[in-house]
Amino acid sequence: QLQLQESGPGLVKPSETLSLTCTVSGGSITSSAYYWGWIRQPPGKGLEWIGSVYYSGNTYYNPSLKSRVTISVDTPKNHFSLKLNSVTAADTAVYYCARVMWFGELFFDFWGQGTLVTVSS
Amino acid sequence: QTVVTQEPSFSVSPGGTVTLTCGLSSGSVSTNYYPSWYQQTPGQAPRTLMYSTKIRSSGVPDRFSGSILGNKAALTITGAQAEDDSDYYCVLYMGSGVPVFGGGTKLTVL
Repeated sequence: QLQLQESGPGLVKPSETLSLTCTVSGGSITSSAYYWGWIRQPPGKGLEWIGSVYYSGNTYYNPSLKSRVTISVDTPKNHFSLKLNSVTAADTAVYYCARVMWFGELFFDFWGQGTLVTVSS
Repeated sequence: QTVVTQEPSFSVSPGGTVTLTCGLSSGSVSTNYYPSWYQQTPGQAPRTLMYSTKIRSSGVPDRFSGSILGNKAALTITGAQAEDDSDYYCVLYMGSGVPVFGGGTKLTVL
């Protein structure tokens, strides 16, 4: 069974860079039909797509975050990563990684459990 | 910027039927947006319910169904149960690898 697990610091200082990794187990990150994505959810608010990456390194980003986001993939380690720079308190959220089915259609079919990242000094 | 709209809240009695909708701030939703639906209970990760408008994900009970109603995507729960008390989010695919989440609907079953 496919599993995704987020990891990284739970506390980041304002103006610094948030870095998270999503480790994929029970399947290969090089599966051709899938992208891999990051989604976040501020406390008490809705879900927001951050961006997606293909195993080749091709990426798509939310236009509202594009200037601050980098998503990368490490195929030997079967994981992908998120970097969000110049963070503020507004970036405090639960960050989820997910598998993105993209074959004409596009939807999220497997989700990690999420990790809370708090931006505070 | 395109906004995906959902009812902020809805209420249904146990055993009742409820239809949640997913629209666009400008324009109509069609199957070309490949609507998908996700259920989330407090403190949990989202669970994928439906994709490509009306295809149920594995393990999703058949009381959940998806459709296009008028100019919106719709998620209908027929015979609501207590465990359906959750937040529901739709996603529309805008093309070029960009999905957009709706603001979510808080469904209360009581």
